[in-house]
This record gives sequence, structure tokens and C-alpha cells, in this order.
Amino acid sequence: EVQLVQSGAEVKKPGESLKISCKGSAYSFTSYWIGWVRQMPGKGREWMGVIYPADSDTRYSPSFQGQVTMSVDRSINTAYLQWSSLKASDTAIYYCIRHARRQLVMGGIDYWGLGTLVTVSS
Amino acid sequence: QSALTQPASVSGSPGQSITISCTGTSSDVGGYNYVSWYKQDPGKAPKLMIYDVTNRPSGVSNRFSGSKSGNTASLTISGLQAEDEADYYCSSYTSSSAYVFGTGTEVFVL
Repeated sequence: EVQLVQSGAEVKKPGESLKISCKGSAYSFTSYWIGWVRQMPGKGREWMGVIYPADSDTRYSPSFQGQVTMSVDRSINTAYLQWSSLKASDTAIYYCIRHARRQLVMGGIDYWGLGTLVTVSS
Repeated sequence: QSALTQPASVSGSPGQSITISCTGTSSDVGGYNYVSWYKQDPGKAPKLMIYDVTNRPSGVSNRFSGSKSGNTASLTISGLQAEDEADYYCSSYTSSSAYVFGTGTEVFVL
């Protein structure tokens, strides 16, 4: 069974860096776009972007371009979402997602992780 | 990019049909046939129910169907069952080469 297993909750201070992870299993990790969705407290979901593990082709939503960095480690089937300097407004649940098709626009998101809660507070 | 608009809640009796709407703009729902629908039970990961407006993934009941007219997409659940009670979200590809999600709808089975 395909699974996206995310790292645990984090509590950080403003200005600190952070890298959260998502490990894919039971499928060919390099063959599917993997990405992230943000859900801020009491708000809706926002698609942040995706990365194609085979060649690290990365597509960011314009809203998140320059704010975060997505990466992968193909040797351990793991995707990462990274911040260099957190802000209080980064407090949210971050869901790892897998898009269903190589053609990114088609097929929808066929698998989701359970989410990683990131809390940024002084 | 503004969220797609969904009704906060929809309810129906067992056996009835209900329809959840998802309204966007010509830059998202109206411009592309790439609308998806997700079901989320409490404490569980979302499940893909419909992709590319009308297509059902393998394993999803044929009681679930999708459609689109103009800037509004719809998810219809026919033969409503107790297990259908959950939160439902739509999503669409956008002209910004990104995706936008709906505001979410709680489905209640009376």
C-alpha cells in the first residue's frame, strides 16, 4: 500500500531554520510528482508546489516561490520542505502529497500524508 | 489566488442524492478540465474521489460522479449512505500553473 509518512510536529522560534520530511513507500518514488499543501489555523488548504524526484524539476506556486525550498533524497525515497528563516505566519499543518500522473495537470492528488504541525512562536 | 467556493454543509437522507458545488473563475474551474474532489474522514488522510472533472479512480463507488458547467464544478453522491458523511473538498488547476482548493463542505446523512 502506498504511504507518505511525514516527520513529527515541530516547535520553533521566529528566525530559526527547519526542514520537514516525507518518506514515500510501496511505489516507484522517482516516477511521481511529490509536493506540499499548507493549511494555516482555521484556513483552507493551499498548494505550495511539487518536485519530480527523478530529475528534481521543481514547480512552486507563485505564492510560495522564494519562501520555501523543496528537495528530495532519492536514495531514501524522501522529500523535504525547508525554511531558512521561519516566521510566525508559517505556523500551519503541512501535508505531503503525491500527484497521480507524470503530466502534472492531470489525475489529481492520489495520496496524502497525515500532516506535520509546525508551530512558530517566540 | 482565491479559494474555490463550496457550501459549508449539505445534508440528505439515506438513499437520496446530493450535489456539492464548487465555484471558481475562468482562470481555474472554467478554464481547465482538471477539477478533482476529495473526501476526508476525521483523523484520516484525504481520499481522491473524482479527477479531471468526471473520472473515478479505481475502487471509488460509482455512486460518486462529477460534472462541470462554466465556472462551477459539481460532485453528486447518489444513494447516500451513512459512510458518505465526511468533509469534501474540490481542487482545480489554475492559470498560475498551480492548484487551488475549495473551502470544503461537510456532508451530513440525516
